[in-house]
Amino acid sequence: SQTIHQWPATLVQPVGSPLSLECTVEGTSNPNLYWYRQAAGRGLQLLFYSVGIGQISSEVPQNLSASRPQDRQFILSSKKLLLSDSGFYLCAWSFQAFSGNTIYFGEGSWLTVV
Amino acid sequence: AQKVTQAQTEISVVEKEDVTLDCVYETRDTTYYLFWYKQPPSGELVFLIRRNSFDEQNEISGRYSWNFQKSTSSFNFTITASQVVDSAVYFCALSEGNYGQNFVFGPGTRLSVLP
Repeated sequence: SQTIHQWPATLVQPVGSPLSLECTVEGTSNPNLYWYRQAAGRGLQLLFYSVGIGQISSEVPQNLSASRPQDRQFILSSKKLLLSDSGFYLCAWSFQAFSGNTIYFGEGSWLTVV
Repeated sequence: AQKVTQAQTEISVVEKEDVTLDCVYETRDTTYYLFWYKQPPSGELVFLIRRNSFDEQNEISGRYSWNFQKSTSSFNFTITASQVVDSAVYFCALSEGNYGQNFVFGPGTRLSVLP
């Protein structure tokens, strides 16, 4: 069976500091990978998605970036965090091949920028 | 463009009551998929159900049931005999197109089940 893990689970970072959230998927090959953000009390916002190694598509312009150095590894980064970057970040994956595949989510990472 | 509406922002019920969460979607595609996810206080989104546009059969899973009606573009979710553990935010979602990036979530409905 497939599993997805992301870390760290909780992060408190000062404004202007860098960020690195990491996510790995096990039990499948060549998945689609996603980063979502959920601000407090708000809905889900797709930040990045990837259909393969080195292939990243950005949905929202911001000071965040994503990388996919390996097939099942997805990293969310920032060089300098802003207060507005605070929120709940969710990594997710789905099978490729056709539309309508279920997206499965990791445990999430709570980021507070102070 | 595709769109998902969950008009109920928050619902409160007393334990053992039945509750229905509404979901209305918009799409121009004839082939699409609908989903429900549960987000408990811990934060992780838990997949509950996936339904394709060609299958209008209602589904029941324990205390959960789903009513898909293409005529009204609705995919409603009913919890029978609600329990405190059902307290969560529930998201309806729609997928169309060739890749998962066309996966659109509704704004969510926060359900509170009171003891």
